[in-house]
Amino acid sequence: DAMVIQNPRYQVTQFGKPVTLSCSQTLNHNVMYWYQQKSSQAPKLLFHYYDKDFNNEADTPDNFQSRRPNTSFCFLDIRSPGLGDAAMYLCATSRESTDKPHEQYFGPGTRLTVT
Amino acid sequence: GQNIDQPTEMTATEGAIVQINCTYQTSGFNGLFWYQQHAGEAPTFLSYNVLDGLEEKGRFSSFLSRSKGYSYLLLKELQMKDSASYLCAVKDSNYQLIWGAGTKLIIKP
Repeated sequence: DAMVIQNPRYQVTQFGKPVTLSCSQTLNHNVMYWYQQKSSQAPKLLFHYYDKDFNNEADTPDNFQSRRPNTSFCFLDIRSPGLGDAAMYLCATSRESTDKPHEQYFGPGTRLTVT
Repeated sequence: GQNIDQPTEMTATEGAIVQINCTYQTSGFNGLFWYQQHAGEAPTFLSYNVLDGLEEKGRFSSFLSRSKGYSYLLLKELQMKDSASYLCAVKDSNYQLIWGAGTKLIIKP
């Protein structure tokens, strides 16, 4: 089945220790997104790739970086995690075009704990 | 600024009908989406409205009024598995998805 996969599902890291979360997709979608979601809050878009074009949200901290080496994979790097970065990180994909907006397909998420 | 408003929490009875409202103020409009999110899981797509009116999909229906900046999600014949958060999201003029905080729906037997 075509899907969005995130690894790991649960990640524990220490304060200040770099961590990388990964996402892969078999949907061949051209857009990939990274969201941060805290309990009972809306998903917060961190950045997205439209094909190879990287789009950073204005309020995304510099501590967060992303890489998309190819169509299928996307990584979220947190260079120096703080306690406030503990959250669920959601990867999503969509097949965007100018004629019609499309729904986003989400991976299962990675729950990040910072100790 | 851009804003999506939904009730924080609603309670309904198994077998009943519930309507979850969403009002929005965004810079432009390119469609409204409803997602379901079970606790600890990722959101899953439910419905999409871009024109005024009602879209029906089995037990779930979604309504849109663009002039009023208003949508609702109607759930019929409620089942216990429908206990989840329901998120309203709007695509603005830049095709960015603006998310509401979600409505937590509690179903009681």
